[in-house]
Amino acid sequence: DVKVTQSSRYLVKRTGEKVFLECVQDMDHENMFWYRQDPGLGLRLIYFSYDVKMKEKGDIPEGYSVSREKKERFSLILESASTNQTSMYLCASSSTGGSNEKLFFGSGTQLSVL
Amino acid sequence: GQNIDQPTEMTATEGAIVQINCTYQTSGFNGLFWYQQHAGEAPTFLSYNVLDGLEEKGRFSSFLSRSKGYSYLLLKELQMKDSASYLCAVSAFSGNTPLVFGKGTRLSVIA
Repeated sequence: DVKVTQSSRYLVKRTGEKVFLECVQDMDHENMFWYRQDPGLGLRLIYFSYDVKMKEKGDIPEGYSVSREKKERFSLILESASTNQTSMYLCASSSTGGSNEKLFFGSGTQLSVL
Repeated sequence: GQNIDQPTEMTATEGAIVQINCTYQTSGFNGLFWYQQHAGEAPTFLSYNVLDGLEEKGRFSSFLSRSKGYSYLLLKELQMKDSASYLCAVSAFSGNTPLVFGKGTRLSVIA
């Protein structure tokens, strides 16, 4: 089975801190995604990547950046955390085969910015 | 633009049948997914439809009508463990384009 691992299940940070959320997948998937999920707003795409060192902005990239130096790892960076970035962050991956390839999600990181 | 609509909440009784609807308006269409998400957990894949008709998988079935921009997820013989959010997602284009997700339907199964 595909495993998508997010480094932290819960994280508490202070306003202005630089925050790194790490995601690793073990199935050699080309595609990786970062979403945030908020009550009433559903899943919103922050950034995605279809290849190493490649990144594309999603629907809400402001305040975030990403890094994909290795195929299996996709990092989400909050350069200066703000309270409105308190959210559940979900990483996902899929293989290349067209967009009918299902997503596999990590268990999520609940980030609280105080 | 891309828009996916599904009801926010539904309640159903244990043992009953429930139908969760999803309507979509997208620039293109290359398939529709349903995911299940229990509270505090990651979404997990339930079904994929790309052609019109009904796909059955145990107690769960998913239906698609491309001409109507409409899908539903049918859950039979409801169990308490089916209490979860159900996410509808559309693949709008072929190739490597991200899925467009609806906001999810929170289903509560009551005794």
